[in-house]
Amino acid sequence: KAGVTQTPRYLIKTRGQQVTLSCSPISGHRSVSWYQQTPGQGLQFLFEYFSETQRNKGNFPGRFSGRQFSNSRSEMNVSTLELGDSALYLCASSLAAGNEQFFGPGTRLTVL
Amino acid sequence: TQLLEQSPQFLSIQEGENLTVYCNSSSVFSSLQWYRQEPGEGPVLLVTVVTGGEVKKLKRLTFQFGDARKDSSLHITAAQPGDTGLYLCAGIHGSGNTGKLIFGQGTTLQVKP
Repeated sequence: KAGVTQTPRYLIKTRGQQVTLSCSPISGHRSVSWYQQTPGQGLQFLFEYFSETQRNKGNFPGRFSGRQFSNSRSEMNVSTLELGDSALYLCASSLAAGNEQFFGPGTRLTVL
Repeated sequence: TQLLEQSPQFLSIQEGENLTVYCNSSSVFSSLQWYRQEPGEGPVLLVTVVTGGEVKKLKRLTFQFGDARKDSSLHITAAQPGDTGLYLCAGIHGSGNTGKLIFGQGTTLQVKP
């Protein structure tokens, strides 16, 4: 069974640009969660989607958004990038919220 | 303010030593999870503890959930270089299917041969 895949693995952007990250969950998993990981703040919850609906949201500004498609694949978008958005963005999938989460390898975003 | 406080944040020990990592909160969690993350990879779930006072063993790793379900510990016996990594505790904050998984800051463990 293929694991969670994330694309791209690495990304370099400049301030003010926008970026879209993609996540393909494990087949059969309908819940997809996104996290931001930085050395200073650790792993912070961004949002969780289940069956194309955002069920939960963390404390991030509106520049961070996401969506989920009918095949459970998910994307997250960050607009008007800031230097502080440089981080590892992790996606995790599970059968349902509260179940074991399986993480992808992450997308390393660097904002210059 | 972190909902889950992990200590220590960094630990560097020699192969063969024992160590304990702590995860504390003022909130009650229905369950706590422990993950390990290696460089360039996402976290991997090691164990979930559900019942207050529960103890689970995974080879040389022993996990304990506090009686009040507010804290947990991870004890490693005779640490090996392969145990090196970032150890994270996490708990569901909120109820039912709408709870969000909250992580501690993590403990970076380095085991030197």
